[in-house]
Amino acid sequence: SQQGEEDPQALSIQEGENATMNCSYKTSINNLQWYRQNSGRGLVHLILIRSNEREKHSGRLRVTLDTSKKSSSLLITASRAADTASYFCAPRGRTDSWGKLQFGAGTQVVVTP
Amino acid sequence: DTGVSQNPRHKITKRGQNVTFRCDPISEHNRLYWYRQTLGQGPEFLTYFQNEAQLEKSRLLSDRFSAERPKGSFSTLEIQRTEQGDSAMYLCASSSSEDSGGAPDTQYFGPGTRLTVL
Repeated sequence: SQQGEEDPQALSIQEGENATMNCSYKTSINNLQWYRQNSGRGLVHLILIRSNEREKHSGRLRVTLDTSKKSSSLLITASRAADTASYFCAPRGRTDSWGKLQFGAGTQVVVTP
Repeated sequence: DTGVSQNPRHKITKRGQNVTFRCDPISEHNRLYWYRQTLGQGPEFLTYFQNEAQLEKSRLLSDRFSAERPKGSFSTLEIQRTEQGDSAMYLCASSSSEDSGGAPDTQYFGPGTRLTVL
């Protein structure tokens, strides 16, 4: 079954800087989702990118997908203290049941003022 | 839309006791999911329902775990004879198979129930 692996495990940046994290997976996917988890709001869906898309934007977030390398990246621009959270990717394999998401261990991002 | 709610938020129990958690999904959502998360890890899938039917169970869901969604609305997750290894955050999520506002696969998570087994 499909599970993403996020890299780096931890990232520490200052407010205003950009943060980039990566997700690698093993088999062909139908789509890949990114989620954020912080203590205040729990686990929140950020963005979904389909296998036929290469890039997607949502506010300060930019997600890219390279199916030839089986990897995705999440870029947060002009980071804020409120972006401090763990970020998880969840690739959905073509043969995976639609019901479950499989998360990696996540990238823990700390944004300092 | 009040979001997904879970009760209780925290539960401390002694090893060997039974515990039950409740999840109330977003009202129009027909799909409901349970996950378990331990410190430093991502959530692990346990099971999901479409309406009242339980369609998939993870191998993580041992015989001591049972989940129900009797009327296709709220769900309960029961753990019998708890063990210290059951200590974790139990997350519930819901989604709609007819979601038109978001991505078709978007799952909306509740705040979780933190279980501590002493």
